[in-house]
Parts: sequence; C-alpha cells; structure tokens
Amino acid sequence: QKEVEQDPGPLSVPEGAIVSLNCTYSNSAFQYFMWYRQYSRKGPELLMYTYSSGNKEDGRFTAQVDKSSKYISLFIRDSQPSDSATYLCASSSGNTPLVFGKGTRLSVIA
Amino acid sequence: SAVISQKPSRDICQRGTSLTIQCQVDSQVTMMFWYRQQPGQSLTLIATANQGSEATYESGFVIDKFPISRPNLTFSTLTVSNMSPEDSSIYLCSGTTESTDTQYFGPGTRLTVL
Repeated sequence: QKEVEQDPGPLSVPEGAIVSLNCTYSNSAFQYFMWYRQYSRKGPELLMYTYSSGNKEDGRFTAQVDKSSKYISLFIRDSQPSDSATYLCASSSGNTPLVFGKGTRLSVIA
Repeated sequence: SAVISQKPSRDICQRGTSLTIQCQVDSQVTMMFWYRQQPGQSLTLIATANQGSEATYESGFVIDKFPISRPNLTFSTLTVSNMSPEDSSIYLCSGTTESTDTQYFGPGTRLTVL
C-alpha cells in the first residue's frame, strides 16, 4: 500500500461549485500535511499547510486533517476556472522528505 | 518562505550525454531535495542533497547516474548522466526552510532526451 493515496481524477466541475479533494495516508507518524497546486508546466506551489489534526482556512480554501481516520481533505469554495490545476496532497513526519499523493487533476468549467 | 530558481528551465539532449541542473535558493534552507516528475505522474524523490557530504539516494536511484552536489546551504546541482530517452522528465529541486517544515519547489527543468 502506498503511504499516501489520492484519486487522480480527472474531476470536472462547473464554475462556482464547491470542490472536495481527498487523500488517505497509512503512516501514523505523519504530523505535517500539505496541499500543493501545480499548473501545467510549472513547479508545485504550496497552497495549504496543516500541522496535526484540525481545520485551516485561507480565503476560498479549507484544509482538514482527521488523524483518527488518516484522512486529508481540501475544499475549494466558489471555484473559478483559474483553479483548474493538479492538486497534490503530501505528508511527512517532520524533517523528512514529503510523501506525495498522485495528484488530482481538476477542471473548473466556466 | 523560500524562492527557488533552477537552470536550465528546459533542454533537449542527445542519448549518452550528461546534463547538470542548478538549483539556487534565496535563503538558507535546512534540507534540499531533488525530485523527478514524469508526464502525468506525481513526484518521485531522487535524493536528499546534504551539505558538504554525499547525497542520500532513494531506492532505485544511484550516485553514478544522478551525482548531486551541495557545496553550501543555498545551492545544489543534479547531474543526469549517460542519458537515455527514459530519463525524459521534469526534474524539481525543493527546500525546507529553517523556521517551518514546509517544502518549497523550484519551477522545474523539463528534460527531453532524443
């Protein structure tokens, strides 16, 4: 079993929809959870960073971590065509390289 | 945060040749990493670049094929040696800042081997 599992999609939604992106992980030592956004032909850009369990909100983006179920989520409200990208979840136990999911390709249709 | 730049941004190389990719960070980072991302795939860690000592390679990657240097806290190079078409990929440098455990990425180097 891969340490971080993520449905690769693709996921297509209409503009204005709420998008839910999810990952599961297997390593109980993971404490740091991140979401990256990657546009085509660009490097990954850090979007959200969460330590341990809980929610974190930044504008239209909300990251959730449930350590009891080893579940990571990213919600995008009022999605825009400019949100069309690949979203990668990643986790680590601290001071170690991140383990990435496969990435979910999202298309927001105007 | 850290701003990471890479050179070259892209290259087309002939089979059997080598290419060295440079990674420069605008601030000191505690750890630097090199990843490979093949088309439509996620990131695969090649190695951790250690300052002043040999890099730590992941399973499936060896120093003879991917020699790495890190002479100081803000600079690293990755060489892709004796290239074959299977090495065609995006190569990404990343770093972890001292104050947080977040990893920042460079824009990547798109390599095509003919």
